[in-house]
Amino acid sequence: AQKVTQAQTEISVVEKEDVTLDCVYETRDTTYYLFWYKQPPSGELVFLIRRNSFDEQNEISGRYSWNFQKSTSSFNFTITASQVVDSAVYFCALGTDSWGKFQFGAGTQVVVTP
Amino acid sequence: ETGVTQTPRHLVMGMTNKKSLKCEQHLGHNAMYWYKQSAKKPLELMFVYSLEERVENNSVPSRFSPECPNSSHLFLHLHTLQPEDSALYLCASSQEATSARGQFFGPGTRLTVL
Repeated sequence: AQKVTQAQTEISVVEKEDVTLDCVYETRDTTYYLFWYKQPPSGELVFLIRRNSFDEQNEISGRYSWNFQKSTSSFNFTITASQVVDSAVYFCALGTDSWGKFQFGAGTQVVVTP
Repeated sequence: ETGVTQTPRHLVMGMTNKKSLKCEQHLGHNAMYWYKQSAKKPLELMFVYSLEERVENNSVPSRFSPECPNSSHLFLHLHTLQPEDSALYLCASSQEATSARGQFFGPGTRLTVL
């Protein structure tokens, strides 16, 4: 069975602080895909990143960075120098080569205050 | 232009009403999905369509009836709903009905059942 765990339900930071969101996954598939989505108050889920199971390189995109560690089944997400616009719910998701079955984590609410 | 659009954005209906939610994708994708997002619960996959054919129905009650007339449009017909059906209903699309490339989401319809 597949499972995605986001243990942090809410993280509050002051602007310019860094924030790291944890994601731990479980799957028996050797080929799988990991994703992060952002859901601002408007409701739409915005795709941030996709990573396949064979690519363990970390990635940086502006203030966002991702740390994929297969050994610990984790795919953590860091926002550097957070801004108020980063306030949203962030979802980690796991997919495999089956009929579009995503397994979403419960989400982590990030609150950035000025 | 937004890739995936949903109408209406907000809907309030009584338990005896019949209404429909509409989703349209402008990305040339072949697969479309309905998700339900209730407060404090993970995203729940409801239906998956691939090339206009339903390939997944996750034990959704029959008061929810999907329709996919072509690969660009997806409807969710609602009738005799219950108050616990109040939620955000999200539509998504992907290039194919596998998880490899990720899903792109619409803004959602916020449904309130009185």
